Amino acid sequence: ETGVTQSPTHLIKTRGQQVTLRCSSQSGHNTVSWYQQALGQGPQFIFQYYREEENGRGNFPPRFSGLQFPNYSSELNVNALELDDSALYLCASSSQPSQPQHFGDGTRLSIL
Amino acid sequence: AQSVTQLGSHVSVSEGALVLLRCNYSSSVPPYLFWYVQYPNQGLQLLLKYTSAATLVKGINGFEAEFKKSETSFHLTKPSAHMSDAAEYFCAVSNSGGSNYKLTFGKGTLLTVNP
Repeated sequence: ETGVTQSPTHLIKTRGQQVTLRCSSQSGHNTVSWYQQALGQGPQFIFQYYREEENGRGNFPPRFSGLQFPNYSSELNVNALELDDSALYLCASSSQPSQPQHFGDGTRLSIL
Repeated sequence: AQSVTQLGSHVSVSEGALVLLRCNYSSSVPPYLFWYVQYPNQGLQLLLKYTSAATLVKGINGFEAEFKKSETSFHLTKPSAHMSDAAEYFCAVSNSGGSNYKLTFGKGTLLTVNP
């Protein structure tokens, strides 16, 4: 079975721009969660999607938004980028919200 | 609210020595607990999980962890360290009820293994 894949692996943006990060979940997984991992920190929960609906959100502003599609792929969109948005963004999928999450290798986002 | 505290941001051991990485949790409901490992430039790999079954949990790569409710701890151990164990380790907690089972992570412990 294929694992969780994320694209792109690296991305450089400037302040104020918008970015879309993509994730392809493991086959059969209907739940996807997104996390932000700042340098030297543990991952922080952004939000979760279950069957294409938002199923919980962490302490992130509305400029962080997401989508989940019927083919198990998903997107994280960030508007009005700020310097503090520089981080590794991790996508994790699971077969149900209660099941263990399997992580992709992440997208490294740098804001100049 | 849930939280995790990992004691020691950096642990250094010799190859063949015992590995002990400490994790204490805070949760108002029975928790699910996890240990993940992260190698450089990679995502997180699940080592093991506790979901209210046996309190001693065995994971991959020879790691195990014991859930101690009285101490609110979930320490990770491995009897004999290998050079390939060098990585960052994260303890995480999730609620056992609720709707989204979001993971709350500790700040991580960097394990170095000396030859």
